[in-house]
Amino acid sequence: DAEITQSPRHKITETGRQVTLACHQTWNHNNMFWYRQDLGHGLRLIHYSYGVHDTNKGEVSDGYSVSRSNTEDLPLTLESAASSQTSVYFCASSERDTAKGEETQYFGPGTRLLVL
Amino acid sequence: RKEVEQDPGPFNVPEGATVAFNCTYSNSASQSFFWYRQDCRKEPKLLMSVYSSGNEDGRFTAQLNRASQYISLLIRDSKLSDSATYLCVALNAGNMLTFGGGTRLMVKP
Repeated sequence: DAEITQSPRHKITETGRQVTLACHQTWNHNNMFWYRQDLGHGLRLIHYSYGVHDTNKGEVSDGYSVSRSNTEDLPLTLESAASSQTSVYFCASSERDTAKGEETQYFGPGTRLLVL
Repeated sequence: RKEVEQDPGPFNVPEGATVAFNCTYSNSASQSFFWYRQDCRKEPKLLMSVYSSGNEDGRFTAQLNRASQYISLLIRDSKLSDSATYLCVALNAGNMLTFGGGTRLMVKP
């Protein structure tokens, strides 16, 4: 079955280290997204991509970067991890159903990141 | 002011009760709306889309009022398994989803 996976599921790192969170989807969706979820803020968009070699900044992109070298993967990199980046990170992918005029985002299981 | 606002709850209701959540949005250009369900420590999952005419899926009914810029979700005959956080979501230009903070529902025996 097609799916969207994230790895690692849990990560502990130290301030200043570079961290990369993986996201892989097998639906062949063009659109992929990274969110973070924190108490009191709900889900906030970090970066998104509409296709290979396309990347865009979201609402809270500072300190994060993404790359899209193929359709299936959108890795999220924290260049120099900060304690404020302790959060739960969700990846999502979507494709537009032109017949219904709807676009549904499907979420991965999440990565819990703790920055000490 | 947040673009999508929800009462965080929690709403504590007995099994079998009917419960309604409202959500307001500030971006009048929002194109589509959804309700997602999120269980504790899990990913959000689409519950239903929200259409202008209102739509029903079993015990769940969603409605959209564009004039007043609010969306509602009604759950009838609540089950214990309905306990979760319900996220109100607006789709804006560029296929961007904006999430509300979620409303927590606890259904008790």
